[in-house]
Amino acid sequence: QQQVKQSPQSLIVQKGGISIINCAYENTAFDYFPWYQQFPGKGPALLIAIRPDVSEKKEGRFTISFNKSAKQFSLHIMDSQPGDSATYFCAARKGDDKIIFGKGTRLHILP
Amino acid sequence: DAGVIQSPRHEVTEMGQEVTLRCKPISGHNSLFWYRQTMMRGLELLIYFNNNVPIDDSGMPEDRFSAKMPNASFSTLKIQPSEPRDSAVYFCASSLGARAKLFFGSGTQLSVL
Repeated sequence: QQQVKQSPQSLIVQKGGISIINCAYENTAFDYFPWYQQFPGKGPALLIAIRPDVSEKKEGRFTISFNKSAKQFSLHIMDSQPGDSATYFCAARKGDDKIIFGKGTRLHILP
Repeated sequence: DAGVIQSPRHEVTEMGQEVTLRCKPISGHNSLFWYRQTMMRGLELLIYFNNNVPIDDSGMPEDRFSAKMPNASFSTLKIQPSEPRDSAVYFCASSLGARAKLFFGSGTQLSVL
């Protein structure tokens, strides 16, 4: 019940296209859902986060869509650019508890 | 701010040797986390400290792993004896409070031969 399941494992998108990464969870007590972005040789960095009282959050080309009833959330990258090529992790947390990460999605944007 | 600083960046050692990984958190942050990253298991939380006190070490794989935080500006993760299956990237992260945004270091790539 503590798991966050992320898909796909890897994704290739043409420049200018939309990249979509999906995550699902079981624990309805989770109250914070961040996405982290990791470039090769670097640690993950917070990209965008959402709480379950809203269905969507947008920051620039990055949007989180949240479906509370389905216990799913997704990251959409509009107008994907080669510089977006990275590994993306979804995550979830309950209160002060530890963050649970998904296994990551390796995104490659073709130039 | 220099961010979270980890050393060494790379470590190659032989099975059975002791390995010590080091971390300096961001000044003022009071929560520190050690993660391990592998292709198979993704990012796993090994242990985290709050105000230098270990709060949750349930992710530490076995007694060969130990972590200390003697003061607010330094932590170590020790593996003794090391095994090939310990090969991974080990990340340290810090935050201002356990609920706050995590700031990760650049990691230590550990290879145990």
